Amino acid sequence: DTEVTQTPKHLVMGMTNKKSLKCEQHMGHRAMYWYKQKAKKPPELMFVYSYEKLSINESVPSRFSPECPNSSLLNLHLHALQPEDSALYLCASSPQGSSYEQYFGPGTRLTVT
Amino acid sequence: SQELEQSPQSLIVQEGKNLTINCTSSKTLYGLYWYKQKYGEGLIFLMMLQKGGEEKSHEKITAKLDEKKQQSSLHITASQPSHAGIYLCRAGGTSYGKLTFGQGTILTVHP
Repeated sequence: DTEVTQTPKHLVMGMTNKKSLKCEQHMGHRAMYWYKQKAKKPPELMFVYSYEKLSINESVPSRFSPECPNSSLLNLHLHALQPEDSALYLCASSPQGSSYEQYFGPGTRLTVT
Repeated sequence: SQELEQSPQSLIVQEGKNLTINCTSSKTLYGLYWYKQKYGEGLIFLMMLQKGGEEKSHEKITAKLDEKKQQSSLHITASQPSHAGIYLCRAGGTSYGKLTFGQGTILTVHP
């Protein structure tokens, strides 16, 4: 299984809502990533988890809260988002660090109203 | 921090034509990855290059990393509409660091 899955595929939420994005991989990868991608821009790194521990937080606002319950799962909890947070959120995994190729999920299209 | 510059930013070609996309780094590359993305979808890993002078091919796509490891090129032979999408290069590293992407090249192939 060489697939990274993400749910939901689309999400519309109000600024006062709380929601979560989910990412799953069963390739035995020990590094997992969250990226944010705006239209016509490359993905921007948000968080990196290595061996289930947060290793990089790229100065992401606290309204985004990552969680790695186990080596196969990565969540992104969303609370009090702003309309400018609307974007495609991509999850990726790699065997270990950034010197390896990353496998990307299909993304969650988030719209904040 | 390391920066990657891709050229051209966009490219429109007729089906059957060959094309080249370049990715130039501000620093020595310790690995260079090419991805393809359809609009609104995830990234598909194409190829990884690590050694200076390395060249890899997959179907009609060939990628090279120059000897000095500061530039890579992606060449598509006899392009097809299925090649259309956004091509992104990404720098690798020996640690997590800043995982840098180029800004992307939008490829359109007209039938």
